[in-house]
Amino acid sequence: RKEVEQDPGPFNVPEGATVAFNCTYSNSASQSFFWYRQDCRKEPKLLMSVYSSGNEDGRFTAQLNRASQYISLLIRDSKLSDSATYLCVVGDNYGQNFVFGPGTRLSVLP
Amino acid sequence: NAGVTQTPKFQVLKTGQSMTLQCAQDMNHNSMYWYRQDPGMGLRLIYYSASEGTTDKGEVPNGYNVSRLNKREFSLRLESAAPSQTSVYFCASSSGQQNEKLFFGSGTQLSVL
Repeated sequence: RKEVEQDPGPFNVPEGATVAFNCTYSNSASQSFFWYRQDCRKEPKLLMSVYSSGNEDGRFTAQLNRASQYISLLIRDSKLSDSATYLCVVGDNYGQNFVFGPGTRLSVLP
Repeated sequence: NAGVTQTPKFQVLKTGQSMTLQCAQDMNHNSMYWYRQDPGMGLRLIYYSASEGTTDKGEVPNGYNVSRLNKREFSLRLESAAPSQTSVYFCASSSGQQNEKLFFGSGTQLSVL
């Protein structure tokens, strides 16, 4: 079993749609959680950190369920510019070991 | 503020050739990392350095060596390149504290023929 697994994708959605990505992790000792966005042939960039209480940043909402070892990302009112690959990233207690999921590709269609 | 600077952006090697990928960060970060990214496999850790003077193997270290030259710089060396090392390489850094995120360089597209 991979340490971090994500929806295989790709997701093709129309503009304005709401889309949800799921991620599960196997290491129960994990302490930090992130969603990164990666555009084609570019470096990953932080979209948002994920906190235990859940957090929201504009159209983006992230949730963490430690008991189920599950992380989610919700994108509301999708824009064409949201088209990218979304990476789930899990870190250890020491801020040194980061494990990446394989990513889920999103295409927002006009 | 440059962040993480990685060179070169592109490189083509013949099997058996050697090369060094350079990485530098100007954020006073303790931890630095080298990842490779292959289609459908996500980013895999090659080596990391938790602090100046220390390096540790990651998930896929075979065929690579690293040097943490000082706090700013972390280089990745391929002594004898193989076609299996064709990939996109990313350098990253982090403060090394809990819950701190990774910052990435812009990547190196390496092809080994």
